Amino acid sequence: EVQLVESGGGLVQPGGSLRLSCAASGFTVSSNYMSWVRQAPGKGLEWVSVIYSGGSTYYADSVKGRFTISRHNSKNTLYLQMNSLRAEDTAVYYCARASAARSWFDPWGQGTLVTVSS
Amino acid sequence: DIQMTQSPSTLSASVGDRVTITCRASQSISSWLAWYQQKPGKAPKLLIYKASSLESGVPSRFSGSGSGTEFTLTISSLQPDDFATYYCQQYNSAWTFGQGTKVEIK
Repeated sequence: EVQLVESGGGLVQPGGSLRLSCAASGFTVSSNYMSWVRQAPGKGLEWVSVIYSGGSTYYADSVKGRFTISRHNSKNTLYLQMNSLRAEDTAVYYCARASAARSWFDPWGQGTLVTVSS
Repeated sequence: DIQMTQSPSTLSASVGDRVTITCRASQSISSWLAWYQQKPGKAPKLLIYKASSLESGVPSRFSGSGSGTEFTLTISSLQPDDFATYYCQQYNSAWTFGQGTKVEIK
C-alpha cells in the first residue's frame, strides 16, 4: 500500500526550530517529486516546498531562507527543517507525492500540527 | 506566480442537487489542473486530475471540465458524503491551490 506518515509536529516558541519527518511506504521517495503543503487553522492549502527526484529543491517565498527540505534515501523518508519559526507558520503540515514536475499530489500524509506560540 | 480563484467560496445545497464549482487561473495552464475533496481533520483526497480524468475509486457523479484558464467541477447528484471543502490546484508551474469552496447542507 502506498502511504505517507508524518511526525515531528508540536509546540515551539517563536524563533525556534523543528524538524518534520515523512516516512513513505509502497514507493521510493527518491524517484518522485516530494512536497510539503501546509494549512493554517481554518484556512486553505499552501504549497511550501518540493524536492525533485534529481535533488533540486524549491520553496515558497514565505519560507525561503528559513525552511530546508531534504530526504534520506535509505530510510525512504522526507524531512522539513524549519528554523526561525513565526506565529504565521502555525499550521498542519502535510507531505505529498507528485510523480513528475507536472503532476498532481497523491497520496498525502495524514498531517502533523505545528504550533508556534510563546 | 499563477493565481487560482475559486467561486463560490461557500455553496449551500441539498441532497440530489447538481453542484458546479468554478476555478479560474491567472494565466493559461492547459489542462494541468486537479481537484481535491477535504473533510474536517483529514488530508485532501484526489478526485480529478488533468482537468477531466477521474481518479480510480471516485464516484462517477464527480466530473471535471475546462482548459486554459477556466475549469469546473460538477457533482451531478449531491450525496450526504459529499458535504466537504473542494480545492482546485494548478501544476503547470510549481503548484498553487484555489482558496477552497465549502459545500454546506442547505
